[in-house]
Parts: sequence; structure tokens; C-alpha cells
Amino acid sequence: EAQVTQNPRYLITVTGKKLTVTCSQNMNHEYMSWYRQDPGLGLRQIYYSMNVEVTDKGDVPEGYKVSRKEKRNFPLILESPSPNQTSLYFCASSWGVLTGELFFGEGSRLTVL
Amino acid sequence: EDQVTQSPEALRLQEGESSSLNCSYTVSGLRGLFWYRQDPGKGPEFLFTLYSAGEEKEKERLKATLTKKESFLHITAPKPEDSATYLCAVQAKNNQGGKLIFGQGTELSVKP
Repeated sequence: EAQVTQNPRYLITVTGKKLTVTCSQNMNHEYMSWYRQDPGLGLRQIYYSMNVEVTDKGDVPEGYKVSRKEKRNFPLILESPSPNQTSLYFCASSWGVLTGELFFGEGSRLTVL
Repeated sequence: EDQVTQSPEALRLQEGESSSLNCSYTVSGLRGLFWYRQDPGKGPEFLFTLYSAGEEKEKERLKATLTKKESFLHITAPKPEDSATYLCAVQAKNNQGGKLIFGQGTELSVKP
């Protein structure tokens, strides 16, 4: 089954404690991206990757890092989480940067106290 | 600035009561407009892509249309299982990162 898998699905943490949200896709997609979804602000792009070792910032990259060492994996790293990073995070993938047909994961709800 | 506005924010329908959701957009050169469905606790699920004014796409009870300034998602004779939040998004031609600009969504509730 084609899918994008994120872990953890739910996490409560404290300010400053580094965490990683993993994302893996099994569709051999070139393009992967992270979005955050907040009430009143909708979905906003954090980072994207057009291929292995190629990543770049989206609209709201502050406080986040990513890496793309393998085609299937695109982890999101919060080096020093802060309360304003409390949000619902989605990883998405597609065959290329020119398509808006994204396959989304189920989401990771993060709370930073 | 590229922007997407959806209306209404919430819509309650009786089963079988047809209606339309609106998506108004401003974008510096449209590459594509996309409709997604999002169920509670789930990620958005792709529905349609529209590329140019006049284009229409259909899937079961849903039909999406596009003009130069807005898109409509028409729901014909909806069923309770159509209840979800419907998201509209645009992608600009000059965007190099594949970014989608999403609207806030319309939360649709269909009562039996």
C-alpha cells in the first residue's frame, strides 16, 4: 500500500529538548516536504527536498532542520523546541516539484510546554 | 502576495441537499489549483487538479470548476460520508519549491 508514515503521531515535550519527527514514503517519490497546520493559518510549508541531498527552506523554516540522506526518508528536526512550535505537522511526497498532487502522512501532533 | 480564501468556513447540509464551496485566489501566474479533502485526525487527501479557466473535473458527487479568479467545488446530493474539511490550494508558476498555498478550508457536515 502506498503511504507516507510519520512518527511519532503524538508528542508532548518541554522547551529546549531536541526531537526528531521521522517521515518515510514507499512510493519512490523524488519530492518531499514538511508542512505545519495551525488554526487560522492553515497549512504552511516548512522545508522541502527535490531529491537526495537537495533541501531548501519553505515559508516558515525558523527553528527547524531537515536532512535527505535517503530517497525514502525526510526527518524533521527541532533542535531546541519552543512553545510556538506547538502544531500539527504533516510530511508529504510527490513524484516531482511541479505537481501539486501531494501524498500526505497522517500527521504528528506536537505540544511544547 | 499569493493568497487563497475559502468560503464559507463551515457548511451544514441535509443529505441530498446540493451546494457549492468557493475558493477565491490571487496568484502571480497560476501553475495549478488543487482540491483536497481532510478527515479529522488525518492528512489531506488529493481530489482534483485544475490548470486553466474553464476546466472541470468530476469524481462521484464532486465537481470542481475553475475561473480566472476562483474555483468552485460543487457537491451534488451529498451523503454523510462526504462530511470533511475541503481544502483549496494554488501553486504559482514562479515557485521553485513546489509550495502549495492553502486556504483555511471549508468544514462540511452532512446530516442524514
